[in-house]
Amino acid sequence: DAKTTQPNSMESNEEEPVHLPCNHSTISGTDYIHWYRQLPSQGPEYVIHGLTSNVNNRMASLAIAEDRKSSTLILHRATLRDAAVYYCILRSISSGSARQLTFGSGTQLTVLP
Amino acid sequence: NAGVMQNPRHLVRRRGQEARLRCSPMKGHSHVYWYRQLPEEGLKFMVYLQKENIIDESGMPKERFSAEFPKEGPSILRIQQVVRGDSAAYFCASSPATEGAAFFGQGTRLTVV
Repeated sequence: DAKTTQPNSMESNEEEPVHLPCNHSTISGTDYIHWYRQLPSQGPEYVIHGLTSNVNNRMASLAIAEDRKSSTLILHRATLRDAAVYYCILRSISSGSARQLTFGSGTQLTVLP
Repeated sequence: NAGVMQNPRHLVRRRGQEARLRCSPMKGHSHVYWYRQLPEEGLKFMVYLQKENIIDESGMPKERFSAEFPKEGPSILRIQQVVRGDSAAYFCASSPATEGAAFFGQGTRLTVV
C-alpha cells in the first residue's frame, strides 16, 4: 500500500486559514489523493479528492504538488465545527483490493476560539 | 439521494449471541466497505464487497465474522458468538463503480455485555 505521512496534531485560530500537509512520496500514477475527516462520535466524512490538478469545493481546497509527492488540504476559514481528525489517503483506481481506503492516524485539528 | 444508512445505530448483545449489522449503500453505489473502530483507536479496514462478491477480506478476523452484499437488499456484517472485545463502532461506506469518493454511514455502536 502507498503510505501517507501527516503531523499528529495541529492548532488553528478560529476564522483563520488552515493548511494541513500530507506527504506521499511513494504515490503511483493510479493513486488518487483523498481527504476525509472524522468529528467526535461521528462517521468519517468525505472532504475532497484529486489526482493531479488543484481542486476546490464548498468545504475545502486541495493543493497537489507538481511531482504529486505531497499535498495540502486548505480550510479557508476554520470554525469550531472543523475540529476533527483529518485523514489523507491514497486510493488506487486499479481494480480489486487496491481500491480500499486505508486510514492512518491522521492529524488532530484543534480550533481555538 | 439518501446517504449511507446503517442500522441499528446502537446494538447491545450478551456474550455468545449473534450481532447483525446492516448497511444500505447510497443509490447507484455498488461497492461497500466495512470498518471497525475500537474506543480511542483508529479506523481499521475489515472487508470490501461488490454486489454478490467479496473483493478483499484481509481485515476480517478469521473466525466468527462474515459479510455479504446480496444482489437485493443491504450489506450485512454478521458477528457470531460475540465477545466483549467485539464492542466497537462499526462503520460502513459505499462508493460508485467508477472512481469516486466513498461516503460513510453514522455507524453501529455494538456493546457486548
